[in-house]
Amino acid sequence: AQKVTQAQTEISVVEKEDVTLDCVYETRDTTYYLFWYKQPPSGELVFLIRRNSFDEQNEISGRYSWNFQKSTSSFNFTITASQVVDSAVYFCALSGPGTASKLTFGTGTRLQVTL
Amino acid sequence: NAGVTQTPKFQVLKTGQSMTLQCAQDMNHEYMSWYRQDPGMGLRLIHYSVGAGITDQGEVPNGYNVSRSTTEDFPLRLLSAAPSQTSVYFCASKQGALGDTQYFGPGTRLTVL
Repeated sequence: AQKVTQAQTEISVVEKEDVTLDCVYETRDTTYYLFWYKQPPSGELVFLIRRNSFDEQNEISGRYSWNFQKSTSSFNFTITASQVVDSAVYFCALSGPGTASKLTFGTGTRLQVTL
Repeated sequence: NAGVTQTPKFQVLKTGQSMTLQCAQDMNHEYMSWYRQDPGMGLRLIHYSVGAGITDQGEVPNGYNVSRSTTEDFPLRLLSAAPSQTSVYFCASKQGALGDTQYFGPGTRLTVL
């Protein structure tokens, strides 16, 4: 069975602070895929990143960076110099190797960035 | 490309009523799915389809039916609505290859009184 744990329910930071959102996953598959989605107050789900289990390279995209560590089964997401527009719920998700493999979501972390 | 579209955006039903949530995608994706989002529970898979004419159950299928007569459309039917089905429903699609990214529609907020 697959499981994704986002232990941080809510985080509040002041603008320009750095913030890290934690994601820990469980799977018995050797091939799997990890995702992060953003859900702003408007409600849609916006895809941010996909990482496969063979690629442990960290990724940086502007102010966003992702740290994938298979040894600790973690796929953490860091926002550098946070902005008010980063306020949203962030979901980490996991899928297995099959083409029909479902996405298993964590319960999400609500990030509130204030001035 | 419109991507994944869902209608309606909001719906209020009375217990026992039936309705269909519509989902369409214009990306020629093989795989489509329905999720429900409830507070504190993330998103849970209701039903999915790997292609026209093929559907299967997810983790919370009870009370819902689906069909996939075309590649583009994947409607979700509530047969007899119950208050426990009050939720936000998301449709998603992906190309179908290994590890493909699922892209989500804007969601339908359903309230059952």
